[in-house]
Amino acid sequence: DAGITQSPRYKITETGRQVTLMCHQTWSHSYMFWYRQDLGHGLRLIYYSAAADITDKGEVPDGYVVSRSKTENFPLTLESATRSQTSVYFCASTPTGSYEQYFGPGTRLTVT
Amino acid sequence: GEDVEQSLFLSVREGDSSVINCTYTDSSSTYLYWYKQEPGAGLQLLTYIFSNMDMKQDQRLTVLLNKKDKHLSLRIADTQTGDSAIYFCAESLYNNAGNMLTFGGGTRLMVKP
Repeated sequence: DAGITQSPRYKITETGRQVTLMCHQTWSHSYMFWYRQDLGHGLRLIYYSAAADITDKGEVPDGYVVSRSKTENFPLTLESATRSQTSVYFCASTPTGSYEQYFGPGTRLTVT
Repeated sequence: GEDVEQSLFLSVREGDSSVINCTYTDSSSTYLYWYKQEPGAGLQLLTYIFSNMDMKQDQRLTVLLNKKDKHLSLRIADTQTGDSAIYFCAESLYNNAGNMLTFGGGTRLMVKP
């Protein structure tokens, strides 16, 4: 049971480049989430998805784009990376009707 | 708006009890959670409590909820060095977006041998 995986685990990119962070879950959970973790801010919600083709903005969506063409995948794209997007990004998922949210291992992104 | 606050740091000796505190603001929260994050890892769900409960015990973990004061605590009995980690509390409001969590900033627990 692979659970929820993220790739890459580490990424260094330059300002202005487009970068996509991948999230894949094997549980067929309906709900998926993207968070960023920064010192002093805990985790903040970027985007979430209730099902395939249904996505919505969270607390800090500016500069990010998501898609969800398949239930199991929820990629997060930084269209033009900025230094302020240097962070650790976590993907999470929740089954329908559950109150438990499960997290992936995270992707550490550095924008130079 | 929602806001969850935690103290930044707690240091205890091995074998002592640890108490990590959290305050939240949204009185309509459905569930309140405790997550553990070890260095370089994702968040691990430790336990959660429904908002109409006062206490939940799970082995060495005891969660206390004071809904009137919007105060949540996590007590770890017989704290071990392996408990050293960052602990996050979170509140949730279940809506059509599923279970949306708002996290505190995390409390770093250091356990001294």
